Amino acid sequence: AQSVTQLDSQVPVFEEAPVELRCNYSSSVSVYLFWYVQYPNQGLQLLLKYLSGSTLVKGINGFEAEFNKSQTSFHLRKPSVHISDTAEYFCAVSGVLYNFNKFYFGSGTKLNVKP
Amino acid sequence: SAVISQKPSRDICQRGTSLTIQCQVDSQVTMMFWYRQQPGQSLTLIATANQGSEATYESGFVIDKFPISRPNLTFSTLTVSNMSPEDSSIYLCSAGEQGFEQYFGPGTRLTVT
Repeated sequence: AQSVTQLDSQVPVFEEAPVELRCNYSSSVSVYLFWYVQYPNQGLQLLLKYLSGSTLVKGINGFEAEFNKSQTSFHLRKPSVHISDTAEYFCAVSGVLYNFNKFYFGSGTKLNVKP
Repeated sequence: SAVISQKPSRDICQRGTSLTIQCQVDSQVTMMFWYRQQPGQSLTLIATANQGSEATYESGFVIDKFPISRPNLTFSTLTVSNMSPEDSSIYLCSAGEQGFEQYFGPGTRLTVT
């Protein structure tokens, strides 16, 4: 079965600073990768996805992520964060083993943007 | 993308009772799923809701405790039966097309007293 590791449970950062949220997944023949954001008391919103093609994926709200097959990573980055980016971020992976229908979620990273 | 609504948004229930959560999608979708998110934790897949047939449950979840219906391609329900305080969680519905991203509802926040 797939597994997803988010190495940082909490990331504090000052406003306008860059941030990287790390995500590693277990090896698979082929994978689809996703980042979701969950604001307080809300459901999950898709930030970006990697299905195929360019390894650098751009998403909403200025976020981007890079698929690195050799390192089995899909780290999320933003060059300059805002207070409104304070939320919990989840990495998710699906793979050919389950016909890409089953999603495995990481444990989440809480991003706390300070003024 | 699909827009998903859930009802109720939150509820407080007594031990031993049951609660049915509804999930409505604004368009026909192939796949619908139910997740549980316990306080401060990640999402755990409960089951895949299959249209016109029995749901497919993940390890640790059983039909008697979490019966699921999916009468058509836009609607599903999850019932949490014979509730205990350990069932206090956020229950999330998601939907999508086979092999692509899932879209999530806002969740149902359940507290069992």
